[in-house]
Amino acid sequence: EPEVTQTPSHQVTQMGQEVILRCVPISNHLYFYWYRQILGQKVEFLVSFYNNEISEKSEIFDDQFSVERPDGSNFTLKIRSTKLEDSAMYFCASSFRKTGADGYTFGSGTRLTVV
Amino acid sequence: AQSVTQLGSHVSVSEGALVLLRCNYSSSVPPYLFWYVQYPNQGLQLLLKYTTGATLVKGINGFEAEFKKSETSFHLTKPSAHMSDAAEYFCAVSDYSNAGGTSYGKLTFGQGTILTVHP
Repeated sequence: EPEVTQTPSHQVTQMGQEVILRCVPISNHLYFYWYRQILGQKVEFLVSFYNNEISEKSEIFDDQFSVERPDGSNFTLKIRSTKLEDSAMYFCASSFRKTGADGYTFGSGTRLTVV
Repeated sequence: AQSVTQLGSHVSVSEGALVLLRCNYSSSVPPYLFWYVQYPNQGLQLLLKYTTGATLVKGINGFEAEFKKSETSFHLTKPSAHMSDAAEYFCAVSDYSNAGGTSYGKLTFGQGTILTVHP
């Protein structure tokens, strides 16, 4: 079964440092997403990406965040200057249709700890 | 805007007992609804989804859910719990209804329900 792959599985970084979280979506999927889950809280939408541009973003996704699809396979989330409150599990997801009628496939997540 | 409420952050059942995880949603248009499961240290795995058509949907591992528009509910059930069902379960709604405009089908999740299965 095709998978969404995320690396690294764990990342510890110092406050103020830049981090890049990486994702390899399913190869024939067209829509890409990042979500995050702060410990004990809901899974929250961050951003959606289609046709090499952001299609929607939440209020969480401020200027410190950026996404990129640098080649035909990778999809990255960059946090420029990490804050303690950025500590969370970050999930990448992809779908073939924007409606999600076929379901959204999630990766296993990257646990980011900012110290 | 869509919202999802999962009643009960923790549910505990005995092995072989009925599993019932409750989900109510709020949406201004007919929703697409999903249940995801998260096992420890793993990602979110799709259990089942409702888009259109039959309101009783069957998923993996013997789970099923029924879309009830009048009750705005999408409860997840399984007739007989197994120890391997112990996990966290998330109900989610897609805002596909705006997909023709600026929204691209983002999911809004409930807060999750941790299912514990006792021997």
